[in-house]
Amino acid sequence: RKEVEQDPGPFNVPEGATVAFNCTYSNSASQSFFWYRQDCRKEPKLLMSVYSSGNEDGRFTAQLNRASQYISLLIRDSKLSDSATYLCAVNVEPPDMRFGAGTRLTVKP
Amino acid sequence: NAGVTQTPKFQVLKTGQSMTLQCAQDMNHNSMYWYRQDPGMGLRLIYYSASEGTTDKGEVPNGYNVSRLNKREFSLRLESAAPSQTSVYFCASSSGFEKLFFGSGTQLSVL
Repeated sequence: RKEVEQDPGPFNVPEGATVAFNCTYSNSASQSFFWYRQDCRKEPKLLMSVYSSGNEDGRFTAQLNRASQYISLLIRDSKLSDSATYLCAVNVEPPDMRFGAGTRLTVKP
Repeated sequence: NAGVTQTPKFQVLKTGQSMTLQCAQDMNHNSMYWYRQDPGMGLRLIYYSASEGTTDKGEVPNGYNVSRLNKREFSLRLESAAPSQTSVYFCASSSGFEKLFFGSGTQLSVL
């Protein structure tokens, strides 16, 4: 079983839609959690960290559920510029950081 | 700000050839990583180094060796390249518990 599993996608949504991604992790001792964004042929870049209390950054909301061992990312009012691949990352046993396979999002006009 | 610098950006090898991918960071990070990325597979950890002088295997270490030359530099070596090692390779660094900073990647083709 992979350490981190993620919705396979792809997700194709119209502009203005709300879209949610989920990611599960297998090691209950995992300590830190992140969402990264990766544009085509580019390196991943941090989108946001995920905190136990949940956190929001503009149209993006990340949540952590330790009991069920999953993290989620909600994007509201999708923009064309949100089209990218979204990767979840889990610091399994620091500094060992594992990534999900990524979910590709395409926002269409 | 340079951040994480990896070289080369592109490389074509023949089966059986060897090569070393170089990575350097200027953020004084303790931890450094090598990942490979294949279509549909996401980022898979090859090796990481928690600190200078230490290295540990990740998910897919077979066929690779690494060297943490000093705090700044972490190299990845393919001793005898195979077509299955065709991939995009990313180097990254972090403080250990926090986010990773990535290099711009190396596209490697093994023919």
